[in-house]
Amino acid sequence: AQSVTQPDIHITVSEGASLELRCNYSYGATPYLFWYVQSPGQGLQLLLKYFSGDTLVQGIKGFEAEFKRSQSSFNLRKPSVHWSDAAEYFCAVGGGAAGNKLTFGGGTRVLVKP
Amino acid sequence: DVKVTQSSRYLVKRTGEKVFLECVQDMDHENMFWYRQDPGLGLRLIYFSYDVKMKEKGDIPEGYSVSREKKERFSLILESASTNQTSMYLCASSSTPGRANQETQYFGPGTRLLVL
Repeated sequence: AQSVTQPDIHITVSEGASLELRCNYSYGATPYLFWYVQSPGQGLQLLLKYFSGDTLVQGIKGFEAEFKRSQSSFNLRKPSVHWSDAAEYFCAVGGGAAGNKLTFGGGTRVLVKP
Repeated sequence: DVKVTQSSRYLVKRTGEKVFLECVQDMDHENMFWYRQDPGLGLRLIYFSYDVKMKEKGDIPEGYSVSREKKERFSLILESASTNQTSMYLCASSSTPGRANQETQYFGPGTRLLVL
């Protein structure tokens, strides 16, 4: 069964500092991987996704993520955070074969200090 | 822009009440989903539907049912609400049947349900 672990429940970062959110997945084949963001009072919005090809994926809002098969990881990064990046971030894995289910991690809440 | 709307942002219900949560999407998507979001547990799939009148159980269907009579509308029903169903409920949609695990899902703002 596929699974996703986000080891950090909370992260606090200063505005302008870099941010890295960890995501580890368990899946038998090459997965489809996603990062979603949930701003306060809002639904989830897709930041980026990885299917195949270049392992460094660029997303919206200046985010990027790197797929590392050997480490079963898909970590999200941003070089310089803005106060508006305070939100909860979810990593999700879908199967390599067509199907209907996404499995989400537990989420990481990011707080941004001025 | 894809828009997914949910009928209520906040609901307070009593134990044993029948509760209806409504979701509407305006992008002619085939797939619709109901998730439950709890702190530390992320999102867990309750039910999804890939066509009108079609539904499949997700990971935690117990205590819930769904209805999809029209393509744009997907309802979640709590037949007899219990306190352990206090949670945030998120609706989502995506376009292609059979490929929901590979494509972007579009989410509504959520309904925060409190069962007393």
